[in-house]
Order: sequence, then C-alpha cells, then structure tokens
Amino acid sequence: EAQVTQNPRYLITVTGKKLTVTCSQNMNHEYMSWYRQDPGLGLRQIYYSMNVEVTDKGDVPEGYKVSRKEKRNFPLILESPSPNQTSLYFCASRGWTGGAESNQPQHFGDGTRLSIL
Amino acid sequence: RKEVEQDPGPFNVPEGATVAFNCTYSNSASQSFFWYRQDCRKEPKLLMSVYSSGNEDGRFTAQLNRASQYISLLIRDSKLSDSATYLCVVSLSSNDYKLSFGAGTTVTVRA
Repeated sequence: EAQVTQNPRYLITVTGKKLTVTCSQNMNHEYMSWYRQDPGLGLRQIYYSMNVEVTDKGDVPEGYKVSRKEKRNFPLILESPSPNQTSLYFCASRGWTGGAESNQPQHFGDGTRLSIL
Repeated sequence: RKEVEQDPGPFNVPEGATVAFNCTYSNSASQSFFWYRQDCRKEPKLLMSVYSSGNEDGRFTAQLNRASQYISLLIRDSKLSDSATYLCVVSLSSNDYKLSFGAGTTVTVRA
C-alpha cells in the first residue's frame, strides 16, 4: 500500500529537549516536504526536498532542520524545541511526471501532534 | 497579504443543497491549482485539480478565473459525508515545489 508514515503520532515534551519526527514514503517519490498547521493559518511549509541531498527552506524554517540522506526518508529535527513550535505537523511526498496539468498530488502522512511545554 | 485567502465559513447547509465558495490568490504567476479536503484535523487529501477550462468530478465543479485571480468549488446535492474543511492550494508553476495553502473553508451538511 502506498503511504507516507510519520512517527510519532503524538508527542509531549519540554522546551530545549531535542526531538526528531521521522517521515518515510514507499512510493519512490523525489519530492518530500514538511508542513505545520495552526488554527487560522492553514498549512505552512517548513522545508522541502527535491531529491536526495537537496533540501530548501519553505516559509517557516526557523527552529527546524531536515536531512535527506535516502530517497524514502525525510526526518524533521527540532534541536531546541520551544512552545511556539507546538503544532500539528504533516509530512508529504509527491512524484513528478512533468507538464503543468500533470502535477501530481501530494500524499500526506497521518500527522504528528507535537506539544512543547 | 496572505498568498492564498479563503472564507473560513462555516457554511451550514441542508442535505441536497448546493454550496459554493471561492479562494483568491495573490501571485498572478500561479500556474497550478488544487482543492484538498481535510476531515477533523486528519491529513489533507486531494479532492481535485483545477484546470484552466474548469472541470467537474461528479457533484464537484471547480472553476479558475485568472483575470480576477480566484478559484471556486461548487458542491451539488450535498451529502452528510461532504462535511469537511476544504483547502485551496496554489503553486507558482508546474515545477515549483512550494505550495501555498489557504486556511480552509469549513462546510457542514446537516440532515
């Protein structure tokens, strides 16, 4: 079954304690991305990766790091989490076939609800 | 100004009704447009892409108005299962990996 898997689904932690949210996809997609979703703000892109070893900042990258050492994995790292990073996080992946109207949809993971106290 | 703006709703409609709502985007260079559906803070799922000529998928019709920079979604013969938040998504071009999401329009269909 094609899927994007995030772990953990829920995490409550404290300020300053480094954490990693893993994301893995089994569709051989080149593109992966991390978003956070906050009430009234919609999904905002944190980082994205167009392929292995190629990553770039999204709209809200501050306080986050990512890596793309393998095509299937795209972990999100919070080196020193703070309460303003309490949010719902989604990882997504997408393939690419070319052409403006053949843009493939993103497949999202189930989400990670993160609470930083 | 937000790149993508939506009326948050909620739109409360009876079963069988037609409901329509728009989404405006600020970047005139935007090329790709989508409607996603999100249930109860679960993961967003693609509802339909929006093509230049407009397109229909069953009870759902999407339109694009480039001159006024908005897209629309119309739901005919609403079902209880259509209750969800509908997210408008825009990208600058077909190979632009940065997608901009609207905050969503909530639709509640009542029996």
